Amino acid sequence: RKEVEQDPGPFNVPEGATVAFNCTYSNSASQSFFWYRQDCRKEPKLLMSVYSSGNEDGRFTAQLNRASQYISLLIRDSKLSDSATYLCVVNIPGYSTLTFGKGTMLLVSP
Amino acid sequence: NAGVTQTPKFQVLKTGQSMTLQCAQDMNHNSMYWYRQDPGMGLRLIYYSASEGTTDKGEVPNGYNVSRLNKREFSLRLESAAPSQTSVYFCASRETAVDYGYTFGSGTRLTVV
Repeated sequence: RKEVEQDPGPFNVPEGATVAFNCTYSNSASQSFFWYRQDCRKEPKLLMSVYSSGNEDGRFTAQLNRASQYISLLIRDSKLSDSATYLCVVNIPGYSTLTFGKGTMLLVSP
Repeated sequence: NAGVTQTPKFQVLKTGQSMTLQCAQDMNHNSMYWYRQDPGMGLRLIYYSASEGTTDKGEVPNGYNVSRLNKREFSLRLESAAPSQTSVYFCASRETAVDYGYTFGSGTRLTVV
């Protein structure tokens, strides 16, 4: 089983739609979690950290479910500019490196 | 602006040539990393440096060497480039003392012909 798994998509949604991605992780000791956004041929950029209590930043909401070992990202009122690949990233204590999922591609159409 | 700076942004090499990719960060981060990303694939870790003076192999280290020159700089060297090393290379840094993610550089697009 891979350490961090994501549905590669693509998720094709119209503007204004609500879309959600999940990411599962295998190591129950995982401590912190992040969502990154990567535009085509660009570097990944931190979108938001994921806290135990969940967190919201404008149209974006991230949730953590430790019991089922997954995190989610909800995007409301999708914009064309939200089209990108969304990477799930996990920090396991004792490791110097973060573990990346392969990403979920989102395509928002007019 | 504070961040991670990579040079060069683009490079074309002939098979067998050597080159060094440069990376510098000005955020006083302890750890630095080199990743490669191939079309349609995820990020793969080549080498990392958890702290100044240390380096460790990642998932795909063959064909590469690294140097942590000081706390700011972490270079990646290709001694004898091969077409299989055609990729986009990202450098990243992170402060491991706090629970932050990576900050990435803008990448080096390398083509080996």
